[in-house]
Amino acid sequence: SQQGEEDPQALSIQEGENATMNCSYKTSINNLQWYRQNSGRGLVHLILIRSNEREKHSGRLRVTLDTSKKSSSLLITASRAADTASYFCATALTGANSKLTFGKGITLSVRP
Amino acid sequence: DADVTQTPRNRITKTGKRIMLECSQTKGHDRMYWYRQDPGLGLRLIYYSFDVKDINKGEISDGYSVSRQAQAKFSLSLESAIPNQTALYFCATRGQGNQPQHFGDGTRLSIL
Repeated sequence: SQQGEEDPQALSIQEGENATMNCSYKTSINNLQWYRQNSGRGLVHLILIRSNEREKHSGRLRVTLDTSKKSSSLLITASRAADTASYFCATALTGANSKLTFGKGITLSVRP
Repeated sequence: DADVTQTPRNRITKTGKRIMLECSQTKGHDRMYWYRQDPGLGLRLIYYSFDVKDINKGEISDGYSVSRQAQAKFSLSLESAIPNQTALYFCATRGQGNQPQHFGDGTRLSIL
């Protein structure tokens, strides 16, 4: 079964609104990463948060990690039509030999 | 120029044919990965390699083989293609430590 499960599966918002996407996982992790995939392209890394971190920011992105709840959230503020893409969380397990386990992804549509 | 290059970008072939997908990188990373992506299933790891002499099976290695010809090159082969191997295939690389993975733009493979 997947280590990371994203929620919701699909999200449609208006340009300018904030988008919040959630990821839950099952076992202890070393770090959690968020990736974006535009249609027909490869995945692009957005942000990595380590297990001893609670929050990270990168531009309009804010990621939180709650290891007690085994969950993470990705917030995109002031969304743009160009943010339309699929978003994946991926977990690297504690002691793992650098493999990532990906969730099934969230499809975000931002309406102009 | 792309850091991670996959060839071909698209391939249509028949059941039973031998197929090779190639990946080359200019990032100087030791770690390389092959994934397949199916609709609704996210990315699943096929094989990975930590250096030229190291090859490891992922979660779905049956029906696939790989070759790490050099640090910069990692190829994936389907010895006798079958229709349920129709998917989008991605190569990725990673440096040492808590580093993200870098993806190619994928190969869309259709097996008739």
